[in-house]
This record gives sequence, structure tokens and C-alpha cells, in this order.
Amino acid sequence: DAGVIQSPRHEVTEMGQEVTLRCKPISGHNSLFWYRQTMMRGLELLIYFNNNVPIDDSGMPEDRFSAKMPNASFSTLKIQPSEPRDSAVYFCASSFWGEAKNIQYFGAGTRLSVL
Amino acid sequence: EDKVVQSPLSLVVHEGDTVTLNCSYEVTNFRSLLWYKQEKKAPTFLFMLTSSGIEKKSGRLSSILDKKELFSILNITATQTGDSAIYLCAVDVSNTGNQFYFGTGTSLTVIP
Repeated sequence: DAGVIQSPRHEVTEMGQEVTLRCKPISGHNSLFWYRQTMMRGLELLIYFNNNVPIDDSGMPEDRFSAKMPNASFSTLKIQPSEPRDSAVYFCASSFWGEAKNIQYFGAGTRLSVL
Repeated sequence: EDKVVQSPLSLVVHEGDTVTLNCSYEVTNFRSLLWYKQEKKAPTFLFMLTSSGIEKKSGRLSSILDKKELFSILNITATQTGDSAIYLCAVDVSNTGNQFYFGTGTSLTVIP
């Protein structure tokens, strides 16, 4: 399996622009997670989905952030409009919830810089 | 409120030293505890622990869980510069949903 695939790997944009991050989970996994990581705050859970349904979005910073999972093999995280404080590494992870060995596997991340 | 606390926050050692990283937790509906290693990229899975007192081992790394005292340790013996990374601890509390709580990590630097 190719693992969790994220794109783009790097994104540089200007304040006010829309940013869309993409994630393809591991085939067969039924849970998908979006995290943000910064030096100051560490790894923060933004939102997670079970069977394509958003379960907990309490970590989404504000209305500028939205996430979708239209099918089992694709998810997006959108920031509109972007701000400099959104600069961070965004990770997507997936797991199979429902079995004893529930392990999250991470994608390589998207490094976002908002100027 | 569920929480996971790691200590120390950072550690600098010389090659060949042995280190012990700590992870304590206070959660409801504990299911398992996981250790990850993060170099300059994504966290990679190391160990999953579900039962007290059973050591998991992989080469120079080993880990054990104490469910009574609510903590886990990760040991690295004969450290190498390639062990330099952030080590993350996460607790799975997935009884009602698929929820993981991550600690802030321990940054380990191994000096030649």
C-alpha cells in the first residue's frame, strides 16, 4: 500500500487567498484525521471522520476552516481566507476503527506558509 | 478532561547513552497507548501497548505500560545520532468514537 498521500507537499500563498489541502487515506481505512502542527502548540487535532462522516470538528479554529470527505478515498481541508497565523504543517492520518489494532498512519504533511 | 503528558520536554545526550522517555495519561475509556517517532517529516509508528507489564521491543527501543499508575516509558539503549527526533505518545480512547489524544512530545538530540 502507498500509505496516506497528501498534496501538495508545500504551499506558499498570500494572505486572503484560498488554500485547499488534499488527502488520500490508506485503502480500507474507515477513519481520517486532520492535524495541524506548530512549534508553539504541537500536534493539534482539527477534525476527524468515521465512514466519511465528520464526528468531531471542535478543533477547527474558526469558520475559515472547512473539511470534507466526499468518499472513502479522498478528503480536503480548505482555508478561506488564509491568514499568516495559519502557517503550519498540516497532517492527514487514517486508521481502521473497529479492530483491536487501531493505529493511525500519517501522511508526509503539507507545509503551508501564508505571507 | 482527558490529557496526555510527556516528560521531559527535551533531552540532549551523547551517543551510547541510555534514555528513558515518560508518558502519563488521564483519560476515560482507555483502549491503547501508542508511541511514534517524528523526524523532519511525519510521525511514524513505533509501538502499541494495551496490557500492563508486557514489554514491547524493537532493536534498541523498548516500551512498557503500567495501567494502574497510568503511564508508559520508552527506553532507548546505546543511542545513535539517528535516534534524534521528537517522540510522541498517544492514547486511544475509541469506545465512543475514534479519538486519540497526543502528548506534546519529547525532543531527543543525540550528540556524536
